[in-house]
Amino acid sequence: DQQVKQNSPSLSVQEGRISILNCDYTNSMFDYFLWYKKYPAEGPTFLISISSIKDKNEDGRFTVFLNKSAKHLSLHIVPSQPGDSAVYFCAASGNYGQNFVFGPGTRLSVLP
Amino acid sequence: EAQVTQNPRYLITVTGKKLTVTCSQNMNHEYMSWYRQDPGLGLRQIYYSMNVEVTDKGDVPEGYKVSRKEKRNFPLILESPSPNQTSLYFCASSVRGGDTEAFFGQGTRLTVV
Repeated sequence: DQQVKQNSPSLSVQEGRISILNCDYTNSMFDYFLWYKKYPAEGPTFLISISSIKDKNEDGRFTVFLNKSAKHLSLHIVPSQPGDSAVYFCAASGNYGQNFVFGPGTRLSVLP
Repeated sequence: EAQVTQNPRYLITVTGKKLTVTCSQNMNHEYMSWYRQDPGLGLRQIYYSMNVEVTDKGDVPEGYKVSRKEKRNFPLILESPSPNQTSLYFCASSVRGGDTEAFFGQGTRLTVV
């Protein structure tokens, strides 16, 4: 049973609009959450993270929101750009970082 | 340049022939790990290492071995590869565990026939 779920395998958004990628988790022991971006033929690269003591973290065009009671987080990209087209992985960590689980990923396509 | 280097990038092998995928990092990171990526399943952790001579199983360790004799190197060993180990493999390193940014290698695409 997947502990980290990304229920949308793919998402298409027009350039300049907002992209919202969702992630749900089941393990209440997770206390740190990260988003990674992956282009074809490359390894994932870190994008943004959030600790469970916060409900929001911003970095430029990227904002991550955490709703602990719902065990849900989302990544907002505003405005979306064609270069944002990639697979986005949600990841969750617990037990002082020893337990580390990725979701299945969402493929984002930003259309010019 | 900070990086994680995996070799080889591509490998086709036959069932039962032992192979090793190497991984090296130049950031003096304590934590290293191996993942496999399969369609619809995302990245699943195979093994991880908290430091030299300290390794532990991840979610899918069956059929794999690792060693951490030096801080910078973390090879993945398949003693007797099988077709269900055909996958895309990534090595990663971080300052400590999963609550810090991980740096990934470029991946090794393994095909076992």
